[in-house]
Amino acid sequence: DQQVKQNSPSLSVQEGRISILNCDYTNSMFDYFLWYKKYPAEGPTFLISISSIKDKNEDGRFTVFLNKSAKHLSLHIVPSQPGDSAVYFCAAWGPQGSNYKLTFGKGTLLTVNP
Amino acid sequence: NAGVTQTPKFRILKIGQSMTLQCAQDMNHNYMYWYRQDPGMGLKLIYYSVGAGITDKGEVPNGYNVSRSTTEDFPLRLELAAPSQTSVYFCASSYRDEAFFGQGTRLTVV
Repeated sequence: DQQVKQNSPSLSVQEGRISILNCDYTNSMFDYFLWYKKYPAEGPTFLISISSIKDKNEDGRFTVFLNKSAKHLSLHIVPSQPGDSAVYFCAAWGPQGSNYKLTFGKGTLLTVNP
Repeated sequence: NAGVTQTPKFRILKIGQSMTLQCAQDMNHNYMYWYRQDPGMGLKLIYYSVGAGITDKGEVPNGYNVSRSTTEDFPLRLELAAPSQTSVYFCASSYRDEAFFGQGTRLTVV
């Protein structure tokens, strides 16, 4: 049962345009949602997060929006740059069973074309 | 500040062999995780730990074992390696929600 879903395996955008990456979740008990970025042959690195009590968090070119009623979040990158090309993972933190843990989606490969 | 250190970076195993993937963190984090990433797939949780002496299974624990005798170390043991365990393995640690990852171990079982 996949609790965090990224339904788009890939996304291609032009440099300077907006990139929108989407994520859906099923567990209403999640407390925090995070986005990670992963380059080939490297470990994922934290990008931005949002608490379940907020609906927007912004950090420079990156903004995450949370719609709790729809159990949906999105990451907006504006403007997109070629260096943003990477796999982006959505993750959720919250109680599952008796413990808290971090659950990841399958990732979306973003390609930003010059 | 080393963060999360994984060794080895690469390994080739023969079917039926055993090995231990090492993971150490120097951030005094209580949470530690082992994930595997197969080609074209996301990160699947193998095992995790919420503190020294406490471990729990993730989504895909079969064929693996872990121990957490100290806060710093969280080794992953593969017993009787199988081709299905060919993957990239990532160790991570966190205080709570924001996890820090190691560089990964690329394991091939032939």
